[in-house]
Amino acid sequence: AVRMTQSPSSFSASTGDRVTITCRASQDISSYLAWYQQKPGKAPKLLIYAASTLQSGVPSRFSGSGSGTDFTLTISCLQSEDFATYYCQQYYSYPRTFGQGTKVEIK
Amino acid sequence: EVQLLESGGGLVQSGGSLRLSCAASGFTFSNYAMSWVRQAPGKGLEWVSAISGSATSTYYADSVKGRFTISRDNSKNTLYLEMYSLRVEDTALYYCAKQRGQDGGDIDYWGQGTLVTVSS
Repeated sequence: AVRMTQSPSSFSASTGDRVTITCRASQDISSYLAWYQQKPGKAPKLLIYAASTLQSGVPSRFSGSGSGTDFTLTISCLQSEDFATYYCQQYYSYPRTFGQGTKVEIK
Repeated sequence: EVQLLESGGGLVQSGGSLRLSCAASGFTFSNYAMSWVRQAPGKGLEWVSAISGSATSTYYADSVKGRFTISRDNSKNTLYLEMYSLRVEDTALYYCAKQRGQDGGDIDYWGQGTLVTVSS
């Protein structure tokens, strides 16, 4: 199975900050990488697919990049509603695998 | 509007069985692969199983292989997960999820989940 490793596991940031979350795959997954946002008590929500394609309706402050084994999710100007946990997932092969999550907290 | 409504969760003893259902609407169900993803209390997301749109292909996480069976009834727009030999570590919120493609793709829609609690 492809192992997905996110970093950091958590961090604190302020509204307006530019933040970057990293996801590394244990093998080449091309661009078969998605990013999800999850708020407490809610289902995950798709933000980015194909490593860099913004899902319809997602604000443009979210962006994704990378291919192969190294990927990043960037929030250009953190808003209050962005404090949440973020997960990457590979869909290159089965079994699908998620990163362990990155919790973005208010500083 | 895509809607996924899970049901069937509950409290069961270790070694018991449970059947989850997911009623789908708002899209042509048979055209899309579907998945189950779970989340243990306070933990991250764990992919459990997937099935192609035509139901010809099924996939499982090693942690549930041989104990869980995924199926779908395209005439009823419903996805199922039969769970046998349940363990305490299967306790989680189980999400039904739609994938973007017929036999793969990312997950573009999620249900709200149904809670499965396995007691010892």
